[in-house]
Amino acid sequence: GAVVSQHPSWVICKSGTSVKIECRSLDFQATTMFWYRQFPKQSLMLMATSNEGSKATYEQGVEKDKFLINHASLTLSTLTVTSAHPEDSSFYICSAPKGGEGRNTEAFFGQGTRLTVV
Amino acid sequence: AQSVAQPEDQVNVAEGNPLTVKCTYSVSGNPYLFWYVQYPNRGLQFLLKYITGDNLVKGSYGFEAEFNKSQTSFHLKKPSALVSDSALYFCAVRDGRGGKLIFGQGTELSVKP
Repeated sequence: GAVVSQHPSWVICKSGTSVKIECRSLDFQATTMFWYRQFPKQSLMLMATSNEGSKATYEQGVEKDKFLINHASLTLSTLTVTSAHPEDSSFYICSAPKGGEGRNTEAFFGQGTRLTVV
Repeated sequence: AQSVAQPEDQVNVAEGNPLTVKCTYSVSGNPYLFWYVQYPNRGLQFLLKYITGDNLVKGSYGFEAEFNKSQTSFHLKKPSALVSDSALYFCAVRDGRGGKLIFGQGTELSVKP
């Protein structure tokens, strides 16, 4: 299978600071990547779709000025949590689909980032 | 809108017994269904998928799932559970083209020795 690497695995930051999370597809190119947020023992909620070369598409209720997404290349998307607050503490997971938009497209997931804001 | 539901928050099974984790779906058009497993503080690992073809889909680690169109279900099964199967399991449906997935609520599987 394909490999998606997410970094860092965990991060602790102070309230008011910004944190950047990277998502890389290591052995394939991804024009689209997805960012999810997961609360403890709950499902994954799609936050936004990261599009290479254009603006990200945010899901309803997600603040785009707070969660900045940049898809700098065909193998890298970054999520920056700006002016972090304790309520932003969560598990963030990225995924990258391999196979374009065909029926056999399969999503591969990063290992996740545990963000704790103190 | 596409959606999946996992009616059980938790499933408890004794090691060696068969296990079933339930999933029902609601889609417009052909369903593209997936099962993923998540271990603590980790990303999701792909188990299997149904796109078309045989209703019984075989996947990783001895898991299989049965697609039932009349019951709109896609239950995950394994004939003999292992303690190491204890994890959080997610059913998902593809939303539109590309790799966007809509996830169920998740079911925590606990296998006791």
